[in-house]
Amino acid sequence: GAVVSQHPSWVICKSGTSVKIECRSLDFQATTMFWYRQFPKQSLMLMATSNEGSKATYEQGVEKDKFLINHASLTLSTLTVTSAHPEDSSFYICSARGRGGRGINQPQHFGDGTRLSIL
Amino acid sequence: RKEVEQDPGPFNVPEGATVAFNCTYSNSASQSFFWYRQDCRKEPKLLMSVYSSGNEDGRFTAQLNRASQYISLLIRDSKLSDSATYLCVASDSNYQLIWGAGTKLIIKP
Repeated sequence: GAVVSQHPSWVICKSGTSVKIECRSLDFQATTMFWYRQFPKQSLMLMATSNEGSKATYEQGVEKDKFLINHASLTLSTLTVTSAHPEDSSFYICSARGRGGRGINQPQHFGDGTRLSIL
Repeated sequence: RKEVEQDPGPFNVPEGATVAFNCTYSNSASQSFFWYRQDCRKEPKLLMSVYSSGNEDGRFTAQLNRASQYISLLIRDSKLSDSATYLCVASDSNYQLIWGAGTKLIIKP
């Protein structure tokens, strides 16, 4: 099946540090990638949607200058949390969807997630 | 009101029993529906898509009721390994996924 690799899986860093998370589709071309955030005992919340070669579309309330998303190729998207603070500590998950066929029933394929802890 | 609502549980169920979850969605324009399973501190994994005619995959059966705007998941002969959080997801016409908060299921031996 389709595989999405997300790296790193766990990050602990000091407040003020910028953290980059990579999301790669390993065996398919991901025309669209999604970035989610999940706080404990809460549902996944979509942060932004990115299509290859174009700017990401951010959800309301998500600061695009703080969460920089780059989708430079059909297999790679990155999320950079700039100047991270303790309130940014969360579980960040990427997902990817390929092209072709009827997109309406295409599920997303998820990365393993990145647990970010800001001290 | 949340767009996708689920009973958070937990549902404590003995091994071998049958358990059912419901999930309601508020956007009548929602087009696709899915059930995902999420283990603690892991990413969600697709369990099954939900089709209008209902669909079955082994011990799992999913149903969609558009008139009442709910979907259901039935698990028969539950196993210890079924313990997880089950997430209900609706997709709108722009393919954006709206997630429920999940229902926690605990299967007891």
